[in-house]
Amino acid sequence: EAGVAQSPRYKIIEKRQSVAFWCNPISGHATLYWYQQILGQGPKLLIQFQNNGVVDDSQLPKDRFSAERLKGVDSTLKIQPAKLEDSAVYLCASSRITEAFFGQGTRLTVV
Amino acid sequence: QKEVEQNSGPLSVPEGAIASLNCTYSDRGSQSFFWYRQYSGKSPELIMSIYSNGDKEDGRFTAQLNKASQYVSLLIRDSQPSDSATYLCAVNKSGGGGNKLTFGTGTQLKVEL
Repeated sequence: EAGVAQSPRYKIIEKRQSVAFWCNPISGHATLYWYQQILGQGPKLLIQFQNNGVVDDSQLPKDRFSAERLKGVDSTLKIQPAKLEDSAVYLCASSRITEAFFGQGTRLTVV
Repeated sequence: QKEVEQNSGPLSVPEGAIASLNCTYSDRGSQSFFWYRQYSGKSPELIMSIYSNGDKEDGRFTAQLNKASQYVSLLIRDSQPSDSATYLCAVNKSGGGGNKLTFGTGTQLKVEL
């Protein structure tokens, strides 16, 4: 069974630029999560989808972050404009029921 | 009060010893509990799931759950240097159309030769 796929693996951008991350979950997994992990901290949930509907986006900075999951499969997370404090690893995870499995993550550096 | 609390460590244990990692959670409605291992520069990897009170063993790992005390622990027997990593406790609660998975900040474990 293929795991969660994410791209790109690394991204360096200047502040105020925009960036997008892509995630393809494990086949058949209805739930998709985007987490932000800052160095030394635990993953923080940004947004959670159940199929193509948003279940929780309470911690998503909606003035600059957006996410979509069209057709209930792939998802993209966008940041526009980026700030220095957005430097982090962006993790995508998916689950069929309760156990969530992570992709390799995208390490974003904002300079 | 944080939803999921862990001691950040580092927790240092000698090779071959038992490592004990602890986690407390605040929401009594939480239903599922997980331990993830995260090596430096890598993504979290699920190593244990536990859903009911008591112990669950898988190889050298034992997860313990006490819902009355809102406490989850992970024991690693015969600790090896390869167990050196950050261990993340995660708690799942159903509701609002989905399962919300919340993580603690992680405990760094160092297994010394």
